[in-house]
Amino acid sequence: EPEVTQTPSHQVTQMGQEVILRCVPISNHLYFYWYRQILGQKVEFLVSFYNNEISEKSEIFDDQFSVERPDGSNFTLKIRSTKLEDSAMYFCASIGVRTSGGAIYNEQFFGPGTRLTVL
Amino acid sequence: GIQVEQSPPDLILQEGANSTLRCNFSDSVNNLQWFHQNPWGQLINLFYIPSGTKQNGRLSATTVATERYSLLYISSSQTTDSGVYFCAGDNYGQNFVFGPGTRLSVLP
Repeated sequence: EPEVTQTPSHQVTQMGQEVILRCVPISNHLYFYWYRQILGQKVEFLVSFYNNEISEKSEIFDDQFSVERPDGSNFTLKIRSTKLEDSAMYFCASIGVRTSGGAIYNEQFFGPGTRLTVL
Repeated sequence: GIQVEQSPPDLILQEGANSTLRCNFSDSVNNLQWFHQNPWGQLINLFYIPSGTKQNGRLSATTVATERYSLLYISSSQTTDSGVYFCAGDNYGQNFVFGPGTRLSVLP
């Protein structure tokens, strides 16, 4: 069964460094997302991406963050200058839109996450 | 955007017991999913259930879309069921919103 993959599983970095988190969505999916979960808190939406551009972004997704799909398969999240409060689990997700009997189903498939630790 | 509430926030069970977790939405949703977050932090997709009832082994879920709530049933719980259970949903044109989760501990 196809799945969303993410690398690395754990990233440790120094404050102020740039990090790139990588995701490979399911191959025929068109909508891509990044979410963040600070330890012990709920999962929060960061950004959605469709047709090679950002569709929506939350207030968390400030100028330090960027996303791109450089080669048609990978979907990356870059944090330019990490802060201590960026330490979190980052999840990538993609949607496979399907229809059945006139209904539209938008099920999100999540990757296993990247745990980012900023020291 | 929509608000999502989950109850109870914490639940402790003995192995073999049954439980019901609830998710309430402030507005109607057209996509709704239940997840289990395991001790390694991975989000395991349990159900995609915008309406109706589904069953998968010891787990089942029911969504009453007109009343904006969903229930997750766990029967004959096992220690491996421990973790945090999240529901999440969205409405047309809005972003997927997660609830705060129910932390389940199943004791041997």
